[in-house]
Amino acid sequence: QKEVEQNSGPLSVPEGAIASLNCTYSDRGSQSFFWYRQYSGKSPELIMFIYSNGDKEDGRFTAQLNKASQYVSLLIRDSQPSDSATYLCAVILSGSARQLTFGSGTQLTVLP
Amino acid sequence: DAGITQSPRHKVTETGTPVTLRCHQTENHRYMYWYRQDPGHGLRLIHYSYGVKDTDKGEVSDGYSVSRSKTEDFLLTLESATSSQTSVYFCAISPGEGNTIYFGEGSWLTVV
Repeated sequence: QKEVEQNSGPLSVPEGAIASLNCTYSDRGSQSFFWYRQYSGKSPELIMFIYSNGDKEDGRFTAQLNKASQYVSLLIRDSQPSDSATYLCAVILSGSARQLTFGSGTQLTVLP
Repeated sequence: DAGITQSPRHKVTETGTPVTLRCHQTENHRYMYWYRQDPGHGLRLIHYSYGVKDTDKGEVSDGYSVSRSKTEDFLLTLESATSSQTSVYFCAISPGEGNTIYFGEGSWLTVV
């Protein structure tokens, strides 16, 4: 079992819809969770991080964390074609201070 | 812009030759990382550094060595390159806020 798992996709949504990206992790002691966006041929860019159970909102992005169920999700509201990218989930596993473990990423396509 | 410069950005080398990738940062951050990214595997940590001359191994360190003689530079060396080391290499830094990390632009390495 991979430590951080994401559906590879591709996930397609129409412009203006809500895109929902999911990530599960195996280490129950994990404390810090991150979402990155990566355009083809570019480096990953940090979207947001979350530490506490519940929701964290930043503009059109909402991260949701459920530690009991060991999943973290990213919602993108009013999706735009410019949101088409690969979204990477990352987790700091217990005992791995400042070392992020990444999932394989979910490819999102927003259709005009 | 995280103030990270990677060099070279693109390199083609022959099997068995040594290769050094350089990561330079301008902000004097203590933590620096080298990741590789491959299709189907996502980003995997090779080595990281938590200060001058302080380094440690990551998930996929075999065949790689690192050095950090100055705060601003973190070097990744492939002692004898193999085709399995063809990959995109990303340097990253952690400025400390929330354990987030920020990536450089990447170095594309092809071993033929």
